[in-house]
Amino acid sequence: GESVGLHLPTLSVQEGDNSIINCAYSNSASDYFIWYKQESGKGPQFIIDIRSNMDKRQGQRVTVLLNKTVKHLSLQIAATQPGDSAVYFCAEKSNFGNEKLTFGTGTRLTIIP
Amino acid sequence: ETGVTQSPTHLIKTRGQQVTLRCSSQSGHNTVSWYQQALGQGPQFIFQYYREEENGRGNFPPRFSGLQFPNYSSELNVNALELDDSALYLCASSGGAEDTQYFGPGTRLTVL
Repeated sequence: GESVGLHLPTLSVQEGDNSIINCAYSNSASDYFIWYKQESGKGPQFIIDIRSNMDKRQGQRVTVLLNKTVKHLSLQIAATQPGDSAVYFCAEKSNFGNEKLTFGTGTRLTIIP
Repeated sequence: ETGVTQSPTHLIKTRGQQVTLRCSSQSGHNTVSWYQQALGQGPQFIFQYYREEENGRGNFPPRFSGLQFPNYSSELNVNALELDDSALYLCASSGGAEDTQYFGPGTRLTVL
């Protein structure tokens, strides 16, 4: 069945460095991908999204890359700050059927001061 | 802040009881999705409501039910609570031309 998985469950990065969080998906019908940030005790917060007709999208300090050939998604965070410490989830949505999002288990990013 | 609100924030119930969780969607959004998030895991889709009708359901038993009201707010009802129902319940709203789902802060349900 469809699944979204993450390569690394934890990631520690020095403050000021760049971080890269990776995600693999298996559903070829996925046409929309989202990265969420979830801080302890809070709901997921939208960071950035990308559609399947794109391979790169940039936001403020964040970039999402999509490689449909290998079904891989990544989130790059530039010049990390302590406030970037959180769990990051990728989620995907298929253009068939209902509008559900399928999430992976998440990567915990820790910024080291 | 997303403008999506949920109540209550925390709830403690015992096995066999019933619970109702509430969600108010972001202004302009007509779709509400509910997710269950167990500790240390990603959110799992329960169901979605679009214009007061169920628009898809995940792999959850019928004791999980929902409603959407004319103002697009929504309720999640869970009957015959089990210990494994302990989780963070999230609602997300979306609508208009956007696919993006914006999440509320969640309701932490503990079943004893």
